[in-house]
Amino acid sequence: KNEVEQSPQNLTAQEGEFITINCSYSVGISALHWLQQHPGGGIVSLFMLSSGKKKHGRLIATINIQEKHSSLHITASHPRDSAVYICAVAQGAQKLVFGQGTRLTINP
Amino acid sequence: EPEVTQTPSHQVTQMGQEVILRCVPISNHLYFYWYRQILGQKVEFLVSFYNNEISEKSEIFDDQFSVERPDGSNFTLKIRSTKLEDSAMYFCASSPEAQPQHFGDGTRLSIL
Repeated sequence: KNEVEQSPQNLTAQEGEFITINCSYSVGISALHWLQQHPGGGIVSLFMLSSGKKKHGRLIATINIQEKHSSLHITASHPRDSAVYICAVAQGAQKLVFGQGTRLTINP
Repeated sequence: EPEVTQTPSHQVTQMGQEVILRCVPISNHLYFYWYRQILGQKVEFLVSFYNNEISEKSEIFDDQFSVERPDGSNFTLKIRSTKLEDSAMYFCASSPEAQPQHFGDGTRLSIL
């Protein structure tokens, strides 16, 4: 069983729709990260969470430590949001364990 | 904004050859990492480096691999006697404390 599970694996939506990507994990963590990977391969850090909720522009990330679950939301989605979104958990001080990623496609 | 820089962006090497992947972390960062992503698979942790020594490594990081910080700016990953299955995207990351990590754009390694 994977330590970090994301759903859905693929998501296609129309521009303007509200998007939710889910992440569940089975191990103890010190923090959870949401990352964005574009077709060229580069990885950008979006959020690091250890509790509660964070917001940056149209992106919102939440985490429930008791349920070992996190969600990434995108409001008013746009084609430029199309990318792979990756959940990764920090075990201890350094090592990140990654989920498989969710490929998001936003159609105009 | 400071960035983690990786070179080359694409490296093609014959099987059995040695390859060195280079990274310039953000200048005031103290923690350095290497990850790899085989095509179509998830990103995997290879190694973390702090205070001039390896602080943690994965099962993947066997004797074929080594890391070095040869000067004050570079952080390198050496792969000896490359195999076909070493073909992957290799990401370097750095952080001022243990988290969060800033990633480079990656080096695509192709072993022929």
